[in-house]
Amino acid sequence: KAGVTQTPRYLIKTRGQQVTLSCSPISGHRSVSWYQQTPGQGLQFLFEYFSETQRNKGNFPGRFSGRQFSNSRSEMNVSTLELGDSALYLCASSYWTKQPSGELFFGEGSRLTVL
Amino acid sequence: TQLLEQSPQFLSIQEGENLTVYCNSSSVFSSLQWYRQEPGEGPVLLVTVVTGGEVKKLKRLTFQFGDARKDSSLHITAAQPGDTGLYLCAGETSYDKVIFGPGTSLSVIP
Repeated sequence: KAGVTQTPRYLIKTRGQQVTLSCSPISGHRSVSWYQQTPGQGLQFLFEYFSETQRNKGNFPGRFSGRQFSNSRSEMNVSTLELGDSALYLCASSYWTKQPSGELFFGEGSRLTVL
Repeated sequence: TQLLEQSPQFLSIQEGENLTVYCNSSSVFSSLQWYRQEPGEGPVLLVTVVTGGEVKKLKRLTFQFGDARKDSSLHITAAQPGDTGLYLCAGETSYDKVIFGPGTSLSVIP
């Protein structure tokens, strides 16, 4: 079956702009999580959505937001971009949301560069 | 705040050697997972451990979950170049949130 698809794969923005990233989970998966990966901080949890509801949120400023649609596809948005937002943004989908967590299936990520 | 630490941060070894990487926390996790990430790709799950003291083997990889469910180790026997990658541990918090450690970057030299 098709894996997790993230678009776009690469993008370059300038400070102050905003960006929207998209994630299509594996068919049948209702949970979508977003992570930011940087060399210095590793994978940092942004938020998780399940059935269109945000279930968990990490410690990121309000400039980072997301949503999930009825077909489980998810988008995340970053407004007023800063240089420090340059990172690989990874989306992961899973079937279960109860503990213990099921396997997280990751996409290849969207690499954002802010100039 | 629940945090995961991993050591070592970087590891470069010769093919055929054995190695162990560690994942530690001061917090208890309901489960712990190990992922491997290769350049240009997302992490891929290797194993999930749930019970304190649990040991799981996956071919040349042996995973152990600490008795108190605060730490874990990954041991690789006779490392091969194909084992090269970033090894990440991930713990499930009491709030159903999965957090990741910073990773151990492993390089196996032929």
